[in-house]
Amino acid sequence: RKEVEQDPGPFNVPEGATVAFNCTYSNSASQSFFWYRQDCRKEPKLLMSVYSSGNEDGRFTAQLNRASQYISLLIRDSKLSDSATYLCVVNILGGSARQLTFGSGTQLTVLP
Amino acid sequence: DADVTQTPRNRITKTGKRIMLECSQTKGHDRMYWYRQDPGLGLRLIYYSFDVKDINKGEISDGYSVSRQAQAKFSLSLESAIPNQTALYFCATSDRGGAEPQHFGDGTRLSIL
Repeated sequence: RKEVEQDPGPFNVPEGATVAFNCTYSNSASQSFFWYRQDCRKEPKLLMSVYSSGNEDGRFTAQLNRASQYISLLIRDSKLSDSATYLCVVNILGGSARQLTFGSGTQLTVLP
Repeated sequence: DADVTQTPRNRITKTGKRIMLECSQTKGHDRMYWYRQDPGLGLRLIYYSFDVKDINKGEISDGYSVSRQAQAKFSLSLESAIPNQTALYFCATSDRGGAEPQHFGDGTRLSIL
């Protein structure tokens, strides 16, 4: 079983739709969680951290469910420019890069 | 100018050759990382460095070596390249605040024939 699992998609949604991605992690000791965005053939970019109480950044909402060991990313009113691959990242212990694990990503295409 | 610069951007070479990938940053960050990305596997950490005198192996360090020549420079070497090292390689940096890489270079697409 992978340490961090994501549905690879692709998710194809119309412009303006709401879309949600889930990511599950296997290590209950995981302490830090992040979402990255990666455009085709480009470098990953940190989108947002995920806090225990959930957090929002504009149209993006991230949530953490420790009991079920998953994190989610919700995108509201999706734009064409949201088309990208979204990477879930989990960090065990929070202090060492060695424990940082990337998911393989979920591909999103927003259609006009 | 990019904050994290990788050279070369693309490289095709033959099995057994020595390859060096270079990374330089203008962020002033202490922490630097080398990752490789393969389809369906996500990014995997090769090596990381928290300062000039600190070098650590990551998940998949076998077959690779690194050098932190200065705070701003972190290079990755493949001493004798093999085809399964064909991948997209990323350098990244972060500041002291967290372990997550915050700034990535544009990547180096490496093909070993």
